[in-house]
Amino acid sequence: NAGVIQTPRHKVTGKGQEATLWCEPISGHSAVFWYRQTIVQGLEFLTYFRNQAPIDDSGMPKERFSAQMPNQSHSTLKIQSTQPQDSAVYLCASSTPGQNYAEQFFGPGTRLTVL
Amino acid sequence: GDSVTQKQGQVTLSEDDFLFINCTYSTTTYPTLLWYVQYPGQGPQLLLKVTTANNKGISRGFEATYDKGTTSFHLQKASVQESDSAVYFCALAHYNVGDNSKLIWGLGTSLVVNP
Repeated sequence: NAGVIQTPRHKVTGKGQEATLWCEPISGHSAVFWYRQTIVQGLEFLTYFRNQAPIDDSGMPKERFSAQMPNQSHSTLKIQSTQPQDSAVYLCASSTPGQNYAEQFFGPGTRLTVL
Repeated sequence: GDSVTQKQGQVTLSEDDFLFINCTYSTTTYPTLLWYVQYPGQGPQLLLKVTTANNKGISRGFEATYDKGTTSFHLQKASVQESDSAVYFCALAHYNVGDNSKLIWGLGTSLVVNP
């Protein structure tokens, strides 16, 4: 029973480069969430898909961040022109309608380092 | 808006000590209150959930309860083990018309248990 899969586990980019992070939710889960985790800010909500449709992207920095869910088996988070302040662990989680999506299952995260 | 406050940044205990971590919350809706645990190199995983219906949750020796009068909820364990060393997060699920997906997170409490 595979959990949420995130690839790559670690990514190093130079300032100004693009980074694409991948998430494969648990099979059968209809909701996918993206979070950013840093020591200073803690866990920050970025965006949320339900049945592949974007529901809430209120946490996404508007200019350089974008997320997609082209099919039920994967979602991507793309950061254009990465900046050092984008360095963080990016976590993907998935959930089901049971308990109205409050119980979220997290992947191990992608640690992004922007030099 | 909804908020969660988790003041204890780090707690250091010895094996068999009693653990108590407290969070306070503010919400205008019926709260679902969750405790997640995060081990190094992993994403957070759900430990316990309490609602206005059940007031208490128990899992793996941990107990979570909430007090509506003081709008606080806490996590306790009678006798911690070194393997319990991890970061513990409290979270509030913001209810919005059948969707509890928006989690408001505390900053986390790092528990170190010495042998």
